Amino acid sequence: AQSVTQPDIHITVSEGASLELRCNYSYGATPYLFWYVQSPGQGLQLLLKYFSGDTLVQGIKGFEAEFKRSQSSFNLRKPSVHWSDAAEYFCAVGARDSNYQLIWGAGTKLIIKP
Amino acid sequence: EPEVTQTPSHQVTQMGQEVILRCVPISNHLYFYWYRQILGQKVEFLVSFYNNEISEKSEIFDDQFSVERPDGSNFTLKIRSTKLEDSAMYFCASSEGQVAPGEQFFGPGTRLTVL
Repeated sequence: AQSVTQPDIHITVSEGASLELRCNYSYGATPYLFWYVQSPGQGLQLLLKYFSGDTLVQGIKGFEAEFKRSQSSFNLRKPSVHWSDAAEYFCAVGARDSNYQLIWGAGTKLIIKP
Repeated sequence: EPEVTQTPSHQVTQMGQEVILRCVPISNHLYFYWYRQILGQKVEFLVSFYNNEISEKSEIFDDQFSVERPDGSNFTLKIRSTKLEDSAMYFCASSEGQVAPGEQFFGPGTRLTVL
């Protein structure tokens, strides 16, 4: 069965510092990989996605993620965080053989220190 | 920019009552989804819908749940007899198609509170 693990429940970084949020997945074939962001009281906004091709994908708001097949990982990065990045970040996996239903990680809450 | 909309934004109901959550997907999208997020927990897939029928459903989506596309624009989730544990944020999503892998666009959610 597919699963997604986000090992960090909370991460605190200083404004201007770099960020890496971890995501590991379990799936037999190459999945479709997504990062979504949820601000307090808001819906889910897609940051970026990986379907195939270049394993380093660029997203909105200056985020990027790298797909590493050997590590079954799809970590999200940003070189310099802004206070407005404080939110919860979800990694999700979709697969063709399950009609692209998304399987979600538990989320990582990002806290920005001034 | 087209977006998925959901109504109401917040629904409060008594245990045992029926609720209908409404969604208007993006107009040219063909696949529709419902997810839920219990407070403090991960987002969970409920059901996907294509060509007027359910294409996939999770174990959560039991007989008390149903989905319908009553007209060309709305996509509804009905919970027949709500339970306390149905309290959650319910998200609707839609995607363009499966011929090419599609991004799912999410609505803002309906917060359901069952008392």
